[in-house]
Amino acid sequence: DVKVTQSSRYLVKRTGEKVFLECVQDMDHENMFWYRQDPGLGLRLIYFSYDVKMKEKGDIPEGYSVSREKKERFSLILESASTNQTSMYLCASSLLSGGSTDTQYFGPGTRLTVL
Amino acid sequence: QKEVEQDPGPLSVPEGAIVSLNCTYSNSAFQYFMWYRQYSRKGPELLMYTYSSGNKEDGRFTAQVDKSSKYISLFIRDSQPSDSATYLCAITDSWGKLQFGAGTQVVVTP
Repeated sequence: DVKVTQSSRYLVKRTGEKVFLECVQDMDHENMFWYRQDPGLGLRLIYFSYDVKMKEKGDIPEGYSVSREKKERFSLILESASTNQTSMYLCASSLLSGGSTDTQYFGPGTRLTVL
Repeated sequence: QKEVEQDPGPLSVPEGAIVSLNCTYSNSAFQYFMWYRQYSRKGPELLMYTYSSGNKEDGRFTAQVDKSSKYISLFIRDSQPSDSATYLCAITDSWGKLQFGAGTQVVVTP
């Protein structure tokens, strides 16, 4: 069964802290994605990766960085957390590169609050 | 202006009613059209996808695409309380990236 796990369901951090969000998939998928989900805005793509050590900016990369050292793990890093980064963060993975109908499988999300 | 527009709702219907959801999009280059369902405190899961104008049925669900009007719809027949969720439309651009609508919250009351 397809599985994407995220390290934390809920996280509370202070402004200026460095924050790591971890995502692991067990499906040997090539592609991994990080989104944030905000009310009224839907899901917005932050970064994605189509191979180990490769990364591409999404629509809203500012204030974030990512790391993919192993195929199954994709980390999102907030170098210096700010209150406007309070959001639900969703990780996803998919099998093929650039697949138009390639299903993205999502993790349960991490609700991050920055105080 | 967002590339994919979707009314956030909430949409409340009685059990057994037909649920009608829709999205509009602005980029005629969009190729594939998907609907995701997201239960509370869960990640989205793919419900249906289609790439051509017309209807596609899967059980109680029908996805409809009108490329000339840039309009997509999802219909849920004989709605059940278990259909209560947020439904997100998603459309792929020519690079294969998904553009999501805001999501419509649906509540089916017994």
